[in-house]
Amino acid sequence: AQSVTQLGSHVSVSEGALVLLRCNYSSSVPPYLFWYVQYPNQGLQLLLKYTSAATLVKGINGFEAEFKKSETSFHLTKPSAHMSDAAEYFCAVTGRSSASKIIFGSGTRLSIRP
Amino acid sequence: DAGVTQSPTHLIKTRGQQVTLRCSPISGHKSVSWYQQVLGQGPQFIFQYYEKEERGRGNFPDRFSARQFPNYSSELNVNALLLGDSALYLCASSLAQGGIETQYFGPGTRLLVL
Repeated sequence: AQSVTQLGSHVSVSEGALVLLRCNYSSSVPPYLFWYVQYPNQGLQLLLKYTSAATLVKGINGFEAEFKKSETSFHLTKPSAHMSDAAEYFCAVTGRSSASKIIFGSGTRLSIRP
Repeated sequence: DAGVTQSPTHLIKTRGQQVTLRCSPISGHKSVSWYQQVLGQGPQFIFQYYEKEERGRGNFPDRFSARQFPNYSSELNVNALLLGDSALYLCASSLAQGGIETQYFGPGTRLLVL
């Protein structure tokens, strides 16, 4: 069975500050991990994904995430927040099988203070 | 190239009615998955279709059904609607099945059941 837990349903940071969104996963098999972003009234957009090629994954819009097996974590970071980063962020996991079923976390809403 | 498209964008139904939602995948993509996103939660997997066959099903009642057509477009049907079926229904497409395949999401259909 697989699951992800996102710590903090709402995170607020100042513009220019570090963004850190936390995600811990549980998986009985080596996982693929994802971060998606959802802007208001829109679908999901893939930020980045981990497929075991490298533990530090760089994504779009300056975001990156580090896979830490010992901590079962896949936290999302961005060095300097921008107002346009305000959105809902979802961590997700899937297994290395023939299926593409993605298990999503409950989401973290990121707010940016001017 | 066009992304994943879904229709309609919004829909209002009453309890007991039936609804059909439509999805057109990215050109060349053969896999389509459906997700339900209730307000304030992460998306939940409903179905995956690949090459017109059901390849995965989430924990949803038999009122939910889907199919994929020869052109790889897909329909999601929900019978005997309940108030709890009110949600954003997301369609995602990928080139093939398998966890490593990136899924691209459409903007969703927002269903309100009164």
